[in-house]
Amino acid sequence: NAGVTQTPKFQVLKTGQSMTLQCAQDMNHNSMYWYRQDPGMGLRLIYYSASEGTTDKGEVPNGYNVSRLNKREFSLRLESAAPSQTSVYFCASSVGTGQLQETQYFGPGTRLLVL
Amino acid sequence: AQSVTQLGSHVSVSEGALVLLRCNYSSSVPPYLFWYVQYPNQGLQLLLKYTSAATLVKGINGFEAEFKKSETSFHLTKPSAHMSDAAEYFCAVSRYNQGGKLIFGQGTELSVKP
Repeated sequence: NAGVTQTPKFQVLKTGQSMTLQCAQDMNHNSMYWYRQDPGMGLRLIYYSASEGTTDKGEVPNGYNVSRLNKREFSLRLESAAPSQTSVYFCASSVGTGQLQETQYFGPGTRLLVL
Repeated sequence: AQSVTQLGSHVSVSEGALVLLRCNYSSSVPPYLFWYVQYPNQGLQLLLKYTSAATLVKGINGFEAEFKKSETSFHLTKPSAHMSDAAEYFCAVSRYNQGGKLIFGQGTELSVKP
């Protein structure tokens, strides 16, 4: 099993450009998550999907949209990139639909630089 | 509101020395607590988690953590550091009213000196 995979690994954008970050998991998990990681701030939740067809906002959703394409795939879209969105983005998944004790499994991350 | 505070953004130990990474939480309800590790240029992976079954939780790679309700702490320890333990460590708590969503601490970078 590959676990959680993310593409691309690294991307440079100009301000105002758009892009979609892709995430897929092969563990038949129900829940999927998008986080951003910034120095000294830990990980902050952008969006969350408890099951196929449902999405929910996290702490920092502004400037992002998501699509839960099917059970395996959860994409994150930046419609008009801003320098403040320079970050490392992580996708994660968990087996259930959001139980408190669930372990989340993380992908390797996408490093995004917005100039 | 729930929150997590990790004391010390950088910790440096010598190989073979005790590792102690501190985490304090704030929660009005019994928390579910996690420690994740991030090796350079990788995603996070679970070290251990507290789910109220036992206050001393053993994880992978010789790490353990003790839940102390009176101190609202969940510190991570390892008796003897190894060079391969150099990584960033994150403490996290489940959001009680929002299912499996996690609140992460700011992280502690562990350096191990030979």
